[in-house]
Amino acid sequence: GEDVEQSLFLSVREGDSSVINCTYTDSSSTYLYWYKQEPGAGLQLLTYIFSNMDMKQDQRLTVLLNKKDKHLSLRIADTQTGDSAIYFCAEIPLFSGGYNKLIFGAGTRLAVHP
Amino acid sequence: DAGVIQSPRHEVTEMGQEVTLRCKPISGHDYLFWYRQTMMRGLELLIYFNNNVPIDDSGMPEDRFSAKMPNASFSTLKIQPSEPRDSAVYFCASSSRRRFSYEQYFGPGTRLTVT
Repeated sequence: GEDVEQSLFLSVREGDSSVINCTYTDSSSTYLYWYKQEPGAGLQLLTYIFSNMDMKQDQRLTVLLNKKDKHLSLRIADTQTGDSAIYFCAEIPLFSGGYNKLIFGAGTRLAVHP
Repeated sequence: DAGVIQSPRHEVTEMGQEVTLRCKPISGHDYLFWYRQTMMRGLELLIYFNNNVPIDDSGMPEDRFSAKMPNASFSTLKIQPSEPRDSAVYFCASSSRRRFSYEQYFGPGTRLTVT
């Protein structure tokens, strides 16, 4: 079945690292994504990782993929107040009936405090 | 690139009225998606199009909802008649099959309030 799970809240101190976790159930998933949603805005694509990779780094963002455990994480280094937002994990299962149907998690609300 | 454009950004209407939401996808994208976001249900896929043809409308809540894509640069989502439970943020997104990563780009959303 298709399911993506995330913890709902994360609170970190400014300057610390944030780690947002996600688990998915469909082992056929080919691409996994992280989106960011700021208040009153749409979803902004942050980064994605192909399922044959185990790590991807992009400036302050590091994505780790453990395909065996179906676990995806997003690490934000030196977290800033501007990083406060909701972060969505999403996957594209291989047999999603059109190969373009994203399955989203419920989102993790990241709060950054001084 | 202008990104995905949605209008209006906010819509307030009375129960029973017809509501039309509009979307212009990114030029050259061949997939268009309509989503609805609420606190209770999160982000739900309502319908998506490929090359202007509806592919999967299984997420459309009921017959009061309809969506069209008359050409590659325009789509509408219509609710008739509207009900208070339709209050939500409606997002349009587009993507291109030419990008093997299949990422979707979202518009800013239309916040619909039905009173």
